[in-house]
Amino acid sequence: DTEVTQTPKHLVMGMTNKKSLKCEQHMGHRAMYWYKQKAKKPPELMFVYSYEKLSINESVPSRFSPECPNSSLLNLHLHALQPEDSALYLCASSPLDRAGANVLTFGAGSRLTVL
Amino acid sequence: KNEVEQSPQNLTAQEGEFITINCSYSVGISALHWLQQHPGGGIVSLFMLSSGKKKHGRLIATINIQEKHSSLHITASHPRDSAVYICAVHPLTDSWGKLQFGAGTQVVVTP
Repeated sequence: DTEVTQTPKHLVMGMTNKKSLKCEQHMGHRAMYWYKQKAKKPPELMFVYSYEKLSINESVPSRFSPECPNSSLLNLHLHALQPEDSALYLCASSPLDRAGANVLTFGAGSRLTVL
Repeated sequence: KNEVEQSPQNLTAQEGEFITINCSYSVGISALHWLQQHPGGGIVSLFMLSSGKKKHGRLIATINIQEKHSSLHITASHPRDSAVYICAVHPLTDSWGKLQFGAGTQVVVTP
């Protein structure tokens, strides 16, 4: 299995809803990432987990809450979002064979629309 | 100022033409990625380079670390190559996949 699987592919939610995005990989990768991508812009890093621990939080608002229940799963819990949070949310993983450059495997993304 | 610059921003080619996309960066890096993104879709990692040249099918990527420059070439382009191609670098100062991305090059290949 060489894929990163993200669900759902599309999500529409109101500003008062609570929802979650899920990401799964079975490649044995020990680093997992959440990126946010607005239209016609490059991805922006949100969070990095390494060995199931949060390594990087790029000053993301608390209405986004990541969770890494085990080495294969990464969730992004969403609560009280704003319309400007509408974007493509990409999950990625990498093997962490050595510090620094690792090939990232990206998922297909979850397209979020906040009404 | 973005530390990763790509050119051109947009490119239209006819099927069969040779395509080159350039990437220049200003920081020391441990590696450089070329990524492909189809409209509305996820990202596929095409290459990771730290030196020299790599080839996969009709795609060739080269990097010159001294000149801080990389190129992605598509030979015998096909309409299915239409996508955004993104250059991203691993700065030496960052350890955890904090890629710095270029703005992307929109490639359209017409039949």
